[in-house]
Amino acid sequence: NAGVTQTPKFQVLKTGQSMTLQCAQDMNHEYMSWYRQDPGMGLRLIHYSVGAGITDQGEVPNGYNVSRSTTEDFPLRLLSAAPSQTSVYFCASSPGAEMGYGYTFGSGTRLTVV
Amino acid sequence: AQSVTQPDIHITVSEGASLELRCNYSYGATPYLFWYVQSPGQGLQLLLKYFSGDTLVQGIKGFEAEFKRSQSSFNLRKPSVHWSDAAEYFCAVGPHPSSGTYKYIFGTGTRLKVLA
Repeated sequence: NAGVTQTPKFQVLKTGQSMTLQCAQDMNHEYMSWYRQDPGMGLRLIHYSVGAGITDQGEVPNGYNVSRSTTEDFPLRLLSAAPSQTSVYFCASSPGAEMGYGYTFGSGTRLTVV
Repeated sequence: AQSVTQPDIHITVSEGASLELRCNYSYGATPYLFWYVQSPGQGLQLLLKYFSGDTLVQGIKGFEAEFKRSQSSFNLRKPSVHWSDAAEYFCAVGPHPSSGTYKYIFGTGTRLKVLA
């Protein structure tokens, strides 16, 4: 089925470990984003990309890296995990950055850092 | 600064009753406006969107929303709530071509409980 695929669905990390959250879409969407969702805080933008090779920071980029080598993939890297990064992470894509299309969301990755 | 406010954290309604979820935004120009729904353990699903034209927009699952420029509001409504509507609802603003930004901003969400 067409859509946004996130892996893994669940992950437990120890403080200081690194990992990559994967995100792939098969809709040829130019715009992709990563959000974290925490209770009472809604969704906060971590990083976004308006096309292959172009990325920029959102509201809460510290501790995270991204790259966009292809249109389909937009991985999120945690460099050195901290308990404050315990959250649910969502990847989302849209046909264009400023065309009012709205997002298609993945089903999320629940990350726990101990 | 751009922002979205959902003043109600929790709302409880009886099945069959009407529903209105509030959303206020702060933006330099008329933004694109969205409502999303999130069922437990799931990602967000787009309910409806507005960016021009008729200020009353229809969405999926029987939802509608009305844009009021004078009040900077985009409230979500449903005439008769079903038990399956229990979920969390998010209002969001999206980048307008005149904004110079590419960021979608989300509100903090309203959790809807439906009583049988």
